[in-house]
This record gives sequence, structure tokens and C-alpha cells, in this order.
Amino acid sequence: QVQLQESGPGLVKPSETLSLTCTVSGYSISSGYYWGWIRQPPGKGLEWIGSIYHSGSTYYNPSLKSRVTISVDTSKNQFSLKLSSVTAADTAVYYCASFLYYDSSGYYKNWGQGTLVTVSS
Amino acid sequence: QSVLTQPPSVSGAPGQRVTISCTGSSSNIGAGYDVHWYQQLPGTAPKLLIYGNSNRPSGVPDRFSGSKSGTSASLAISGLQAEDEADYYCQSYDSSLSGSVFGGGTKLTVL
Repeated sequence: QVQLQESGPGLVKPSETLSLTCTVSGYSISSGYYWGWIRQPPGKGLEWIGSIYHSGSTYYNPSLKSRVTISVDTSKNQFSLKLSSVTAADTAVYYCASFLYYDSSGYYKNWGQGTLVTVSS
Repeated sequence: QSVLTQPPSVSGAPGQRVTISCTGSSSNIGAGYDVHWYQQLPGTAPKLLIYGNSNRPSGVPDRFSGSKSGTSASLAISGLQAEDEADYYCQSYDSSLSGSVFGGGTKLTVL
């Protein structure tokens, strides 16, 4: 059973960089799947941030691309998210998830519990 | 403004059947990309409900069904139960954005 757990600071100051890590258990990141980050502002819907394959290939939401970096550490079975120059609009629950990719499409099969990140001074 | 359009809310009495629509365009659903559905119970992470338009993961009751036609997709829930009260999201791939897109979500209220 694939399990995911987000970790990182719950409070980030405006203009600084948000950094989160997702630890995967029950499955080796190197075995396959893509891995993604999705966020949900309070009271709002889901927004795809980006995805990464274990080889390091990345795909980002065009609206966030200039500020996002997703990386993978197969030795720790983790992948990470960095979002720079944050503002209050980046306040959200951030989820990591496994992404089953096929035919240029795919779905998020397993989700972490989510972590709330608040951007405030 | 979400790329995929869902009604903000639907409601139904216990035992009834409700449907939730998800409307896209020629760059996503209309281009043939599959639609997937997620259920988000209050205060919890989304959970995969339907994948590949109409397939249920193990453990999802057959009261939940999905379909797709043209530029739209639908999620149907029959025999409504109180525990079905949740937010439901559709998701697909968009070739213009080269990535995943979600609907704005639909809040299901069981009366």
C-alpha cells in the first residue's frame, strides 16, 4: 500500500521560498509512477502545481512555472516542492500524490493527508 | 475560473440518484483525454473515486458510476447515503496547458 506524507514549515513569510517534502512508503519511487503536487486554498478547489518522474523529468503548471521547482531523491524515497516569492495567494493545503500516467493523461491514485502552509509576516 | 466546469452544488434525498456534470473543451475532454473523479470528505484529502471515465478502484461501491461523451463527463451516485455528503472534483489532461486540470468542485448535500 502506497502511503505519502508531506512535511515542512506551516508558516512562510511573504517573498520567501516555500519548501515541502513528500516521503513515500510502501513503494519505491524508482519503480515507476509519476509524483505530483496539488494545492487547495482555503474553501476553494484543487490546483495542479506540477509532477515529476523518478528520472527527474518535470512538468509544471504554466501559471506557476517561473516559481516552482520539483525534485526527487530516490535514495530517501522522497520528492520535494519549492515555490519561490510566495504571497498570501499561495496560502493553501498542499498535497502530494502518486500519478498513474498513461496515453498523455493520468490520475492521482494515492494522496498524502495534506499540509497547510500559511503565508504571513 | 477552472478549465473544467462543474455545478457548485447538487442535492438529493437519501436513496435518490444525483448526477454531477463536468464540462470541458476541445483541448481536454473533447480531445479524447480521460476524465477522473475524486471525492473529498470534509477535512480530508481527496480520494480517487472513478478513473478512466468509468472505472472504480477496489473498494468503491458500485453506486458510483462515471461516463463521458463529447466534451463532457458525468458522475452518477445512486442510492444516496448520508456519508456521500462531500465535495466532488473531476480531473483530466489539457493539451494547451500540457498538464492536469481540475473542475471547480461540486458540493453534494444529502437532504
